[in-house]
Amino acid sequence: GNSVTQMEGPVTLSEEAFLTINCTYTATGYPSLFWYVQYPGEGLQLLLKATKADDKGSNKGFEATYRKETTSFHLEKGSVQVSDSAVYFCALPYSGAGSYQLTFGKGTKLSVIP
Amino acid sequence: NAGVTQTPKFQVLKTGQSMTLQCAQDMNHNSMYWYRQDPGMGLRLIYYSASEGTTDKGEVPNGYNVSRLNKREFSLRLESAAPSQTSVYFCASSRSDSYNQPQHFGDGTRLSIL
Repeated sequence: GNSVTQMEGPVTLSEEAFLTINCTYTATGYPSLFWYVQYPGEGLQLLLKATKADDKGSNKGFEATYRKETTSFHLEKGSVQVSDSAVYFCALPYSGAGSYQLTFGKGTKLSVIP
Repeated sequence: NAGVTQTPKFQVLKTGQSMTLQCAQDMNHNSMYWYRQDPGMGLRLIYYSASEGTTDKGEVPNGYNVSRLNKREFSLRLESAAPSQTSVYFCASSRSDSYNQPQHFGDGTRLSIL
């Protein structure tokens, strides 16, 4: 079945540092791939997505490229801010009874210090 | 837009008590989901409803029941709460017609079972 393996944290970076959070997947076919972000005390929000191979999703300075050859969807940001401190989840869909469910990585907690 | 609304936000129960977690969405989505989030475990699917009138078990359904009351509302019931059910519970909704569609999450219910 579909599965996601995500780099485990926690990750602590100084402000303006470069961020990479690794995500690799196992899937049948070429499903969409998602990154979600969870700020403290809140639910998950969609950060970005890519719907096919070689697609690049981007939002709020974050980017991720859907790489079929390495089955990866790594999240990157060139210069992190304190406000980026959150938990990040990689996710991919799989087909269930009448709908699509998501399988999530275990999450990577990012702390950015001034 | 309200999106996905969960009530209550916090709850403390004693072992053996029952309660119902409420969820409502205003996006006219067909599919709704209940997850639990535990440290180091990511999100795990408890139950989902592909459409009004249908419900299906997810990864961890034991000890829970659900009701899809109408298209907007999907409730989760704990009949006899156990300490192992201490967790943060998230409701989500999505369109069900394509794996490109993301899920939209509520802010969660933080539940403690003593």
